[in-house]
Amino acid sequence: DAKTTQPNSMESNEEEPVHLPCNHSTISGTDYIHWYRQLPSQGPEYVIHGLTSNVNNRMASLAIAEDRKSSTLILHRATLRDAAVYYCILRETGNQFYFGTGTSLTVIP
Amino acid sequence: DTEVTQTPKHLVMGMTNKKSLKCEQHMGHRAMYWYKQKAKKPPELMFVYSYEKLSINESVPSRFSPECPNSSLLNLHLHALQPEDSALYLCASRGRSETQYFGPGTRLLVL
Repeated sequence: DAKTTQPNSMESNEEEPVHLPCNHSTISGTDYIHWYRQLPSQGPEYVIHGLTSNVNNRMASLAIAEDRKSSTLILHRATLRDAAVYYCILRETGNQFYFGTGTSLTVIP
Repeated sequence: DTEVTQTPKHLVMGMTNKKSLKCEQHMGHRAMYWYKQKAKKPPELMFVYSYEKLSINESVPSRFSPECPNSSLLNLHLHALQPEDSALYLCASRGRSETQYFGPGTRLLVL
């Protein structure tokens, strides 16, 4: 069973904010929420992670629901270079990372 | 240097061949990973090494044999593979932080 669920695809206009949702209803108290993105023909690239509180970094923001059963990755101003598959991942206690199905983001000029 | 390198970039092998994939990192990371990624699917965890010891094996068939000769190097030995094993094989490493660093992958085709 998938540990996280995401929409298959989303579109955004360039320079507009993008909100990418993820459901993780079976998350346990110690699981970290990670987001990675993968451009064509490349390995995944780290975007952001969090445990309970909202997080910001230079790439994006992560909003985590109070019950932790869902989260949203926010790209504040989408650029053409942000077109990629975005994966929501749970990092369980230890070293296991389980990728969700991913959302393919298309950015429209 | 935050680079994870993987060789070869591409590999074509027959079902009776034996080949190896190589992954290297020089960031001092003590956790290293192998993932398998089929086209248009997410990466699937195969193996995790922690401090050079195999800590996780996600029920991977024995025709895949991982090896961690030292803290910088991770190998995946392949033997008697099936055409359905054709995929992108990704290596990653992680240090004390939460961040995993991925290599570009080896694209494997089994004929």
